[in-house]
Amino acid sequence: EAEVAQSPRYKITEKSQAVAFWCDPISGHATLYWYRQILGQGPELLVQFQDESVVDDSQLPKDRFSAERLKGVDSTLKIQPAELGDSAMYLCASSPQGRTQYFGPGTRLTVL
Amino acid sequence: EDKVVQSPLSLVVHEGDTVTLNCSYEVTNFRSLLWYKQEKKAPTFLFMLTSSGIEKKSGRLSSILDKKELFSILNITATQTGDSAIYLCAVEATSNTGKLIFGQGTTLQVKP
Repeated sequence: EAEVAQSPRYKITEKSQAVAFWCDPISGHATLYWYRQILGQGPELLVQFQDESVVDDSQLPKDRFSAERLKGVDSTLKIQPAELGDSAMYLCASSPQGRTQYFGPGTRLTVL
Repeated sequence: EDKVVQSPLSLVVHEGDTVTLNCSYEVTNFRSLLWYKQEKKAPTFLFMLTSSGIEKKSGRLSSILDKKELFSILNITATQTGDSAIYLCAVEATSNTGKLIFGQGTTLQVKP
């Protein structure tokens, strides 16, 4: 069964450092989502791509976060510089257009 | 502002008990409501509900939606320790191009 792949699974960094997360969606899924899940809360959408285009990045802190999906397949989410409050689980999800979202295993980020 | 609220936030039961998890929402242009189960990793899809009064069932899990009163319930009968997880409710609005608005989740612990 096809799955969404994410790496790394865990990342520990010091504040002010740069971090990057990678996501490979299920083959053929045009829509890709990045969510942030703070401990004890539900996931919150950071950015949504339709193919290589950004559809919604209204909740992305653009002063420090960036996301790209250059060829409309895999995607990278970057944080520079990382802050203590960025410690969270970063989830990637993909879906065929307009259908159920399938989530990857997530990257758990700890900022010291 | 679109909002999803789950209750209770946490629940401890014993194996064999039946539990009911609640999800209420305030969303403009509702499209669907989804339930996910999250163990120590990514959320996995359980149900998608779009119509009032039609029960969705999968094994010991079932869910129903009330679009008039703006809520959904997730029932788990004959609970097992493997049901221990966070249960997330999410709502999709037609104006949000697939974006999911999540509740904060209900943490269920099933004791032997």
